[in-house]
Amino acid sequence: QKEVEQNSGPLSVPEGAIASLNCTYSDRGSQSFFWYRQYSGKSPELIMFIYSNGDKEDGRFTAQLNKASQYVSLLIRDSQPSDSATYLCAVALYGQNFVFGPGTRLSVLP
Amino acid sequence: SAVISQKPSRDICQRGTSLTIQCQVDSQVTMMFWYRQQPGQSLTLIATANQGSEATYESGFVIDKFPISRPNLTFSTLTVSNMSPEDSSIYLCSAKTTLTGELFFGEGSRLTVL
Repeated sequence: QKEVEQNSGPLSVPEGAIASLNCTYSDRGSQSFFWYRQYSGKSPELIMFIYSNGDKEDGRFTAQLNKASQYVSLLIRDSQPSDSATYLCAVALYGQNFVFGPGTRLSVLP
Repeated sequence: SAVISQKPSRDICQRGTSLTIQCQVDSQVTMMFWYRQQPGQSLTLIATANQGSEATYESGFVIDKFPISRPNLTFSTLTVSNMSPEDSSIYLCSAKTTLTGELFFGEGSRLTVL
């Protein structure tokens, strides 16, 4: 059974701080890792994906992957109130089915 | 990226009826999927829509309840059959792009069964 775990939150950070969102997965064969943002009442929106160990940066977002520890994280720098949303971690095996975690609710306080 | 159009965006249905949700993608995709998201929950994969053949269903989902068609590369339908209040949920169509392998979602269809 493939599992993806996330803290449900809510994670509250002050505006301008770094938000750190974490995700662990059970299947060592997983190859692709994705972060989605979902605003209330909206569908998930892809933020970033990462395939290789290490860091990948895109604007204020940095994804970090450690396959040995089966751990992937998303850092959001200079957090804004508009970043308040649920963040979903998804893991794919050989690019096939995507398994989603339960999501972490982030609240950025002005 | 891919633009995925889903309709209806929402509907209110009576118990025992069926509803078909349509999904159209604007670009080349390899795989199409149907997810369900119940209130306050994460995404649960219902099935993979296979072009020209029967869909591949996940554990707990069956063809009689959720028949799926995919007559061509960019179009798929999901039918929710013989609905009960437990089927009230958001149903999301998604597609994996050919070029990048990223998974994109439609806007979802919010279904309420009375």
